[in-house]
Amino acid sequence: DIQMTQSPSSLSASVGDRVTITCQANQDIGNSLNWYQLKSGKAPKLLIYGESNLETGVPSRFSGSGSGRDFTFIISSLQPEDVAAYYCQQSYNFPLTFGGGTKVEI
Amino acid sequence: QVQLVQSGAEVKKPGASVKVSCKASGYAFPNYYIQWVRQAPGQGLEWLGLINPSGGNTRYAQKFQDRVAMTRDTSTSTVYMELSSLRSEDTAVYFCARNLIGALGHFFDYWGQGTLVTVSS
Repeated sequence: DIQMTQSPSSLSASVGDRVTITCQANQDIGNSLNWYQLKSGKAPKLLIYGESNLETGVPSRFSGSGSGRDFTFIISSLQPEDVAAYYCQQSYNFPLTFGGGTKVEI
Repeated sequence: QVQLVQSGAEVKKPGASVKVSCKASGYAFPNYYIQWVRQAPGQGLEWLGLINPSGGNTRYAQKFQDRVAMTRDTSTSTVYMELSSLRSEDTAVYFCARNLIGALGHFFDYWGQGTLVTVSS
């Protein structure tokens, strides 16, 4: 199975800050990396697919980059509504696996 | 609009089985895999498997291969996930999610609201 290591596990930042989350795979996964936002009591939300493609309707302050084993997720200007947990997920092969998550607080 | 509506919370005893439903609407049911992901309390996300609603083909995570069964009812656009031989570690919120068959990768653009399954004696 492909192991996804996500860091940090949690962070606290101020409104307007740039937030960076990293995700590393234990093997090359090309650009098969997706990012989700999870808020308590709500259905998870797809933010980024295929490493850097912004899902329709997602604000442009969210972005993704990277390839191979190392990936980065950025919130360019943190907003109060961005308080949530964020997860990376590899779709290179089965079983699909997720990173451990990053809890973002303000 | 696209909706995946899951059945309600369940409480089960160890050794029992649970069957969670996921009713799809607002899109062409045969064109999207339905996948199942769970989140145990305080834990991350874990993939259980998928079903192709068109032919009923399934693919399961090896960890759950012997205990999980995914089926579908095309007449009601509903997918079912049954997990048997439940143990306390199966206590989690179970999500269904869809992804386009033939898409460049298995990523989930719509999710159900989640179903809490509690396993307790």
